Amino acid sequence: SQQGEEDPQALSIQEGENATMNCSYKTSINNLQWYRQNSGRGLVHLILIRSNEREKHSGRLRVTLDTSKKSSSLLITASRAADTASYFCATDIQGAQKLVFGQGTRLTINP
Amino acid sequence: SQTIHQWPATLVQPVGSPLSLECTVEGTSNPNLYWYRQAAGRGLQLLFYSIGIDQISSEVPQNLSASRPQDRQFILSSKKLLLSDSGFYLCAWTGQFTEAFFGQGTRLTVV
Repeated sequence: SQQGEEDPQALSIQEGENATMNCSYKTSINNLQWYRQNSGRGLVHLILIRSNEREKHSGRLRVTLDTSKKSSSLLITASRAADTASYFCATDIQGAQKLVFGQGTRLTINP
Repeated sequence: SQTIHQWPATLVQPVGSPLSLECTVEGTSNPNLYWYRQAAGRGLQLLFYSIGIDQISSEVPQNLSASRPQDRQFILSSKKLLLSDSGFYLCAWTGQFTEAFFGQGTRLTVV
């Protein structure tokens, strides 16, 4: 069964704008991870945030985690056309050692 | 460094034929291994995961099975393919509580 649900399903913005994607989940987690997928390719890991962390940065990426609301957000600042891809959140389920993905957000950056 | 190999990249198989997809990991020991399936434009559905040899968990009852004959080898099989088995199959590995590394995927078309 799917654990994470991303919102929105699709997002289209202009180059240079910020893009925000949200993820909600249902059970307790060890960590939450965000991945990027270019069409027809494997997924690439972007950032991991542990359950005891609230915010993490990596370059133009900012991730927040609210375990009380079971939600996370991914912010991409100063977007570029090359950021066009699908973005997925994944939850490392506590007690199960399994990684469950959401349905993803398809992000389009218009030049 | 760790690498993951998944093959073949594409596969066209007739209905009722058997399937064997292989995934191997190099450069690490005792990885957690995963098989996912992705329908076009959708998220990743977890099919099987394994935290060790002879420790395989099935997430979705279906026409597929998985085996782990060696520590770093994970095989996805079917005795008789169905049309509904078509999709993009992804193998991945993780350490404990770490990010996942994905193979390049196998696009399976059952005709």
